[in-house]
Amino acid sequence: KQEVTQIPAALSVPEGENLVLNCSFTDSAIYNLQWFRQDPGKGLTSLLLIQSSQREQTSGRLNASLDKSSGRSTLYIAASQPGDSATYLCAVYSNTGKLIFGQGTTLQVKP
Amino acid sequence: DAGITQSPRHKVTETGTPVTLRCHQTENHRYMYWYRQDPGHGLRLIHYSYGVKDTDKGEVSDGYSVSRSKTEDFLLTLESATSSQTSVYFCAISEGPLEAFFGQGTRLTVV
Repeated sequence: KQEVTQIPAALSVPEGENLVLNCSFTDSAIYNLQWFRQDPGKGLTSLLLIQSSQREQTSGRLNASLDKSSGRSTLYIAASQPGDSATYLCAVYSNTGKLIFGQGTTLQVKP
Repeated sequence: DAGITQSPRHKVTETGTPVTLRCHQTENHRYMYWYRQDPGHGLRLIHYSYGVKDTDKGEVSDGYSVSRSKTEDFLLTLESATSSQTSVYFCAISEGPLEAFFGQGTRLTVV
């Protein structure tokens, strides 16, 4: 059974810091890994998708990496801003067709 | 934004009554998913579909059933609602192991 874990559960940083969010998964037989952002009371917004054959993806200040063999992914946020405050979730698409989520990291960026 | 519409957006119902939530997509994606989101549990997969009339169970399927009679609609039915099914329900779509997109959610309260 695929299990996805995100550490830390919550994080508070001052504006301008670079930060790393972690995601680990137990079964390395995945098709892809996707990072999402969720604002309070809202739906999920896709940030980055990394295919299993890829090592990383970048979008603006965001960079996500994937190491299938170790079952890990990281989301790097450069020069954090208060507008980055949200919950960040990772999800893996397994070879059974299921999309399984971690519990998320709630980020607060203080001005 | 991906064309996903969840209805209703909010619902209050009584214990023991059946409830049906609808997810409608205009993207012609093959995969559709139903999740519930609860504090401390993240997003948990209830059921998913990989084609018309093709569905499978997720992690927390007890008390729920689904139907998909056409590509664009995926229905989630709570056969006899209980207070433990009070939650926010999200629908997602994807075209195979590619990027997944989410609806805005349905807030269900069972009293």
